[in-house]
Amino acid sequence: SAVISQKPSRDICQRGTSLTIQCQVDSQVTMMFWYRQQPGQSLTLIATANQGSEATYESGFVIDKFPISRPNLTFSTLTVSNMSPEDSSIYLCSVVGAPKGVAGGWADTFGSGTRLTVV
Amino acid sequence: KQEVTQIPAALSVPEGENLVLNCSFTDSAIYNLQWFRQDPGKGLTSLLLIQSSQREQTSGRLNASLDKSSGRSTLYIAASQPGDSATYLCAVNDYKLSFGAGTTVTVRA
Repeated sequence: SAVISQKPSRDICQRGTSLTIQCQVDSQVTMMFWYRQQPGQSLTLIATANQGSEATYESGFVIDKFPISRPNLTFSTLTVSNMSPEDSSIYLCSVVGAPKGVAGGWADTFGSGTRLTVV
Repeated sequence: KQEVTQIPAALSVPEGENLVLNCSFTDSAIYNLQWFRQDPGKGLTSLLLIQSSQREQTSGRLNASLDKSSGRSTLYIAASQPGDSATYLCAVNDYKLSFGAGTTVTVRA
């Protein structure tokens, strides 16, 4: 099963600055996914990160605002650039793995999330 | 575009009562459906995964059914406990995950 370490767990940032979120997986995975969860809402996929290629962004998300790096098969970063209060959200990374104890088999495993507040 | 709806949005029950959480989706061409639990301010914990070819999946007090033709899944939690209080999310995988808005459950001691 895949275990994801995500950091920071939370941060308070000034508008106009940038924050880089890191996700480390304890096994090699082909794809990593980045999600945003705005207050009171469900998760929305930002982009899919493949090792050795450009990330694939979903509609409404652009690389200039959310640059992603994927230097190897166990690590990825998401940067939230030029932040505004509207970027205040929980950001989560995930991989497809086999979470221990989950009936059914291969499922999506999530990091513990980064709670970002922009002031 | 896949649309996922969860009803009810919130649910409060006394301890020991069974919970029934509903999820519906608009496009039945899916690989699988997953149920997650999210505690306040935290990430997601996988609970169950149902493959598109399956009708149900069980894990302990949890049982999830899937009716792909009608675009519905139901999560049953038997004999609820205060520790079951959380938000439950269903997510449909049709090459990417589409999430419902969740059902927030409160189990009163």
